[in-house]
Amino acid sequence: EPEVTQTPSHQVTQMGQEVILRCVPISNHLYFYWYRQILGQKVEFLVSFYNNEISEKSEIFDDQFSVERPDGSNFTLKIRSTKLEDSAMYFCASSDSQGSDEQFFGPGTRLTVL
Amino acid sequence: AQSVTQLGSHVSVSEGALVLLRCNYSSSVPPYLFWYVQYPNQGLQLLLKYTTGATLVKGINGFEAEFKKSETSFHLTKPSAHMSDAAEYFCAVSVQFSGGYNKLIFGAGTRLAVHP
Repeated sequence: EPEVTQTPSHQVTQMGQEVILRCVPISNHLYFYWYRQILGQKVEFLVSFYNNEISEKSEIFDDQFSVERPDGSNFTLKIRSTKLEDSAMYFCASSDSQGSDEQFFGPGTRLTVL
Repeated sequence: AQSVTQLGSHVSVSEGALVLLRCNYSSSVPPYLFWYVQYPNQGLQLLLKYTTGATLVKGINGFEAEFKKSETSFHLTKPSAHMSDAAEYFCAVSVQFSGGYNKLIFGAGTRLAVHP
């Protein structure tokens, strides 16, 4: 069964460093998303991506964040200069249509900023 | 604006007992509603969804949920809990943007514990 994969499963970085979180969405999906879950808190929407551009982003997704689909299969989230409060679980999701259809989630990358 | 409230951050039941996880939503338009389950160290897995049509929806692992518009609720139930049901459960509502894209708004989650 097709699934969304994410690497790495756990990333530890120093404050101020750049990190890139990688996702491989399901191959025939067209819509891509990033969510995050700070420990003990709810899952929050960060950004949606379609047709090689951001379709919507939340207030969390500031200039330190960027997304890219560099090669037609990977979907990446870059944090330019990490802060302590960026420590969270980051989930990638994809869907094959907009609206009602489910979003398929990856297993997440746990980012720890020291 | 759409929002989701899950009553009870922790629910504990005995094996074989009824599971009831509560979810209320706020939406200015007919909602699309979802329940996701998260097992330890895993991602979010869809249990079931309501879009249109029958208000009682059945999902995987014996779970079902009923959409009640008058109560703005979408509670998740399972007649008989199993030890393997221990996990965190998230209710979510789908929000559509003007361009037709959607995002999920999640509730805070309910951690279900099942004891022998």
